[in-house]
Amino acid sequence: ETGVTQTPRHLVMGMTNKKSLKCEQHLGHNAMYWYKQSAKKPLELMFVYNFKEQTENNSVPSRFSPECPNSSHLFLHLHTLQPEDSALYLCASSQGVRQETQYFGPGTRLLVL
Amino acid sequence: QQQVKQSPQSLIVQKGGISIINCAYENTAFDYFPWYQQFPGKGPALLIAIRPDVSEKKEGRFTISFNKSAKQFSLHIMDSQPGDSATYFCAASMGSGANNLFFGTGTRLTVIP
Repeated sequence: ETGVTQTPRHLVMGMTNKKSLKCEQHLGHNAMYWYKQSAKKPLELMFVYNFKEQTENNSVPSRFSPECPNSSHLFLHLHTLQPEDSALYLCASSQGVRQETQYFGPGTRLLVL
Repeated sequence: QQQVKQSPQSLIVQKGGISIINCAYENTAFDYFPWYQQFPGKGPALLIAIRPDVSEKKEGRFTISFNKSAKQFSLHIMDSQPGDSATYFCAASMGSGANNLFFGTGTRLTVIP
């Protein structure tokens, strides 16, 4: 596997479910990101991790909980989501956190019923 | 408040024509302006980027034009091909702090044969 991988690619969950999204980067990068992509809206940065430490949390509701056990893996734990949380969730990585090129995974398409 | 405004929302171009996508920003602290290309089912991928010390950057058929005084930048795709059909995002970031890219809303380009 090369680049940035994300699993699952598609997820349907009810509002009371708990699920997790997984991201893995095989690029030897030190920074990882979660973005939310909704139709006709700009990509929204959710979280940034640099060397496993969270450096950004852009006012994301607590029903989204990130976890970064090491520089290669990033999780997004989901619980009691709302239908408006339905979107494409993208993971990205970069060598560092200062204007470095970000490499994106294919995303997880999430539908909350 | 949207930091980067992108237009048009969608664009249809004949094969061999020139595709032009425009972006505008307000924050004069921005000093890095990348363009990302996204195909269906894939994450965005860096296409080309520019810094404000130059007014133009060309890579193959892709050119960024940058107008610092007008706070605008644009992507030109010369000799557009059906394989260029994708969604294009402009973005901007500033040198200080974490790697926070502010994205435009995207332009869906369709190149017809």
